[in-house]
Amino acid sequence: AQSVSQHNHHVILSEAASLELGCNYSYGGTVNLFWYVQYPGQHLQLLLKYFSGDPLVKGIKGFEAEFIKSKFSFNLRKPSVQWSDTAEYFCAVLDTGRRALTFGSGTRLQVQP
Amino acid sequence: DAGVIQSPRHEVTEMGQEVTLRCKPISGHDYLFWYRQTMMRGLELLIYFNNNVPIDDSGMPEDRFSAKMPNASFSTLKIQPSEPRDSAVYFCASRGFIGLNYGYTFGSGTRLTVV
Repeated sequence: AQSVSQHNHHVILSEAASLELGCNYSYGGTVNLFWYVQYPGQHLQLLLKYFSGDPLVKGIKGFEAEFIKSKFSFNLRKPSVQWSDTAEYFCAVLDTGRRALTFGSGTRLQVQP
Repeated sequence: DAGVIQSPRHEVTEMGQEVTLRCKPISGHDYLFWYRQTMMRGLELLIYFNNNVPIDDSGMPEDRFSAKMPNASFSTLKIQPSEPRDSAVYFCASRGFIGLNYGYTFGSGTRLTVV
C-alpha cells in the first residue's frame, strides 16, 4: 500500500527564512504528487501538483517543489516565508491504479514575525 | 462555481445519536471522497465513489459508518450510533478535470463533536 512520510512534524521559522519541508513516498511506480496547505480552521487548498515533465514545479504563493524519482521525494520549498504562511502542510500521493489521495501526517509550520 | 459544499459546518451530538453529514460535489466531477481528520491519525480516506457507485470502502472504521451517493450532486455519511471517538473533522472532496489534468477540491469540512 501507498505511504507518505513527512518527517518534520513541527517547524518554527522567522519571517524571511527559507523553508524546506520533506516528503517521501513508498510507491515505485508512476505517481502524481501534491502539496496542500490548511490554514487554521480551514479546508485543504492545493499549493501545487506534479504529474509529469519538469520535476521542478511552481505553485501558488511562491512555493515550489522538486520531484526526485531516485529518492522517492517531493520536497516543498519557499525562499522567504511570511507570517501568513503559518499553516499545516500536507504532502499527498496518487498512484495511477487508484483514484484517491494518500496523505502524509502533515507538517505544522509556525512563522514568527 | 461554489466549490464542494458540506453541511453542517459544526455538529455536536450526544453519544448514541445518529449523525448525518452532507456533501454536494462540484458539478461535473465524477469522483467523490470522504476523509476524516484527527490529531492522532491525520487524514484518513473513509470511502470514495465513482459516478455515484462506491468503489472502495475499506477505510470505513466499522458498521456504524455508512455512506451513500444517490445522485451525482449529493452524498451523505451517516454514523449510527455515534461514539465520542468519532469526534473529528470530516472532509468531502471531489475530483474532476481542470484543463488537461484532474484536480481534487475539498470542502470546508464538518467538525463533529460527540459528547
